[in-house]
Amino acid sequence: SQQGEEDPQALSIQEGENATMNCSYKTSINNLQWYRQNSGRGLVHLILIRSNEREKHSGRLRVTLDTSKKSSSLLITASRAADTASYFCATDAKGAQKLVFGQGTRLTINP
Amino acid sequence: DAGVTQSPTHLIKTRGQHVTLRCSPISGHKSVSWYQQVLGQGPQFIFQYYEKEERGRGNFPDRFSARQFPNYSSELNVNALLLGDSALYLCASSSLAGTDTQYFGPGTRLTVL
Repeated sequence: SQQGEEDPQALSIQEGENATMNCSYKTSINNLQWYRQNSGRGLVHLILIRSNEREKHSGRLRVTLDTSKKSSSLLITASRAADTASYFCATDAKGAQKLVFGQGTRLTINP
Repeated sequence: DAGVTQSPTHLIKTRGQHVTLRCSPISGHKSVSWYQQVLGQGPQFIFQYYEKEERGRGNFPDRFSARQFPNYSSELNVNALLLGDSALYLCASSSLAGTDTQYFGPGTRLTVL
């Protein structure tokens, strides 16, 4: 079963705009991670945020985590065509030795 | 440094056959995890191995098995293939066991006819 649920399922924006994707999960976690996947290839790790952190930045990426609402958001600022990909959140339920991925958000950046 | 490598890249099998997929982790990484990704969905956890021992198993039938070798490379075996086993099989390595940052390989695309 998928613990993480991304929203929206698909997002199409113009180059230069900001893109926001959301992830909700069901159980307590140790950390939450965001990954990017281009066209059915391997996943690339973007950022990891631990349960005791509320916000984290990496370049044009900003991730927030609200453990009281069991939700996270990924913001990509000043989007580029190369950001076109599927984005997945992954959580590790406490006590479970595995990552559980959501179904992903398909992001399209239009030039 | 080389990233995670997987072989083969693509594979076509028929129902009932078995398949072996291979993975070499990043040098120095002792943990290997396997995921199945069906088209249009997120990856589903199959196994995690650390120091040659199974550390986690997902909700997959016994037709799926894996092992890790002394050099930390790993094999995923699937017996009695079904059409529904068609998917992208992803291998990921990490330096520790558990659920910290995973480094993924490019995957093996398995098609079962």
